Amino acid sequence: GAGVSQSPSNKVTEKGKDVELRCDPISGHTALYWYRQSLGQGLEFLIYFQGNSAPDKSGLPSDRFSAERTGGSVSTLTIQRTQQEDSAVYLCASSNPGQNTEAFFGQGTRLTVV
Amino acid sequence: SQKIEQNSEALNIQEGKTATLTCNYTNYSPAYLQWYRQDPGRGPVFLLLIRENEKEKRKERLKVTFDTTLKQSLFHITASQPADSATYLCARHSNSGYALNFGKGTSLLVTP
Repeated sequence: GAGVSQSPSNKVTEKGKDVELRCDPISGHTALYWYRQSLGQGLEFLIYFQGNSAPDKSGLPSDRFSAERTGGSVSTLTIQRTQQEDSAVYLCASSNPGQNTEAFFGQGTRLTVV
Repeated sequence: SQKIEQNSEALNIQEGKTATLTCNYTNYSPAYLQWYRQDPGRGPVFLLLIRENEKEKRKERLKVTFDTTLKQSLFHITASQPADSATYLCARHSNSGYALNFGKGTSLLVTP
């Protein structure tokens, strides 16, 4: 597609279950970001992938959170043993590498843990 | 640690006036600052990027300034319209060059 695609758009899960969120970046973009946005809050950086380099995981809030990027394209964010405080919108963005390039965001996945 | 701060209070202005939003940052000056717009239920959309050696950047009714002495960027919308109502975010890269860190955003409401 032309833009960043995220799935599912909405996910309701029970506390303690694992969830997987998917991001399809713009074709050719080597940089990929995951962010979390809680209601009324700003974007919290989670993880950054750039090409074949080791990802910057400095924003992951706990070891229940992990992410992969296979083949330099699609990325999956996994949250294990979900907690109610994990409820938020999870946003993915992709860009060309470098600090002078804009990030293109997907519509996000709204995760609700009940 | 590096911080990027935006006025958390909502800005309400009348249609036709100029809206001015502020972004302040700490520690080193980034090479670039970016501004994004976010509408409810949607991901942020890129608006403008300004380099540290650029004092000012314009795009249609938008203007961004970058003052490395004050460690501040100002975002202006001239002749504001109700359709400009949204949350505006500024962003900078961390000193590692990787993470693109965002401010919490300022909500703008333009009333007719």
